[in-house]
Amino acid sequence: EPEVTQTPSHQVTQMGQEVILRCVPISNHLYFYWYRQILGQKVEFLVSFYNNEISEKSEIFDDQFSVERPDGSNFTLKIRSTKLEDSAMYFCASRDGFNYGYTFGSGTRLTVV
Amino acid sequence: KNEVEQSPQNLTAQEGEFITINCSYSVGISALHWLQQHPGGGIVSLFMLSSGKKKHGRLIATINIQEKHSSLHITASHPRDSAVYICAVSLIQGAQKLVFGQGTRLTINP
Repeated sequence: EPEVTQTPSHQVTQMGQEVILRCVPISNHLYFYWYRQILGQKVEFLVSFYNNEISEKSEIFDDQFSVERPDGSNFTLKIRSTKLEDSAMYFCASRDGFNYGYTFGSGTRLTVV
Repeated sequence: KNEVEQSPQNLTAQEGEFITINCSYSVGISALHWLQQHPGGGIVSLFMLSSGKKKHGRLIATINIQEKHSSLHITASHPRDSAVYICAVSLIQGAQKLVFGQGTRLTINP
């Protein structure tokens, strides 16, 4: 069964450093998403991406965040200058254009120290 | 007020018991999703519903659109069913983003 692949599974970074979280969505999917889950809290929407541009973003997704689909397969989330409160599990997800079913990646646990 | 509310937040049961987890929502949706999250953190999609009822093995999901309510049932529960079960809804408008409930932590004791 097709999978959404996320790398790395765990990343530790120092406050103020840039991080790039990588995702390979399912190849024929059209809609791509990033969500995050702070430890002990519910999953929150960050951003959606369709047709090579951001289609919606949340209040969390400020100027420190950016997304790219540089080569038609990878989908990346960049945090320019990490803060302690960016520590969370980040999930990539994708879906095709024909139904509302989602496929999630296994997540990247980001720890900012 | 949360757009998606689940109950209970925590549920402990004995192996073999019938389990019900409830989800209520207050927004217009295109679909409702039941997801499973294991201790490692990964999320697996169990069901996507826009009406009626779906069954997969020992899991059954129902939705009542008029009452804005869904239930997830597990029959003959087993310790391997222990996980966090999350209800999420796809909003009608915009990019069909998911809005998540807070999850129900289920523990099944042998």
